[in-house]
Amino acid sequence: DADVTQTPRNRITKTGKRIMLECSQTKGHDRMYWYRQDPGLGLRLIYYSFDVKDINKGEISDGYSVSRQAQAKFSLSLESAIPNQTALYFCATSDGGLAGGVGTQYFGPGTRLTVL
Amino acid sequence: AQSVTQPDIHITVSEGASLELRCNYSYGATPYLFWYVQSPGQGLQLLLKYFSGDTLVQGIKGFEAEFKRSQSSFNLRKPSVHWSDAAEYFCAVGRTDSWGKFQFGAGTQVVVTP
Repeated sequence: DADVTQTPRNRITKTGKRIMLECSQTKGHDRMYWYRQDPGLGLRLIYYSFDVKDINKGEISDGYSVSRQAQAKFSLSLESAIPNQTALYFCATSDGGLAGGVGTQYFGPGTRLTVL
Repeated sequence: AQSVTQPDIHITVSEGASLELRCNYSYGATPYLFWYVQSPGQGLQLLLKYFSGDTLVQGIKGFEAEFKRSQSSFNLRKPSVHWSDAAEYFCAVGRTDSWGKFQFGAGTQVVVTP
């Protein structure tokens, strides 16, 4: 079984709808992340969480919210979806890593979201 | 400002030829460097990473990368490319000044021709 899973894998929705993307991990990591990928822009960080009680905004958090339901679960919500939120969304986890808190990040397979 | 630059958006290489993907970073603190590969329809897979020590790092699938502090570079290489290496490749810096958050380059798309 995959260590980091995301559901759904594909979703088409309409402008104004609320959408939730879910992420689960079996790696036992405390840290979890949500990114979006757009062509030519690489991956940009939306939100991150270092434990169940810790939620932090990333560089592009406007229009998004998250919930850390358990160590293994981290959900991303689009409160009112708009077309420019059409993108590929990735969840990732990491351990605490070495000095400075850098650890290797492990990615889920991604969710392709289309907002019409 | 910190940044990660992958100068080549797209590279075409013949099967069996060598491949080098460039990555330059602008970062004041000690860099922790990563290369990931994204095959079509897949998530990102770690190829290799550099934290410290030997500046030539070996990874999976026959890839290696060399850290050059003087040039602020972490270029990825493979001596002989296989058709299955067609993918998008991302360089990333793990930021010690920001609780381990990653900063990614924009990616390099590699096409392998017969």
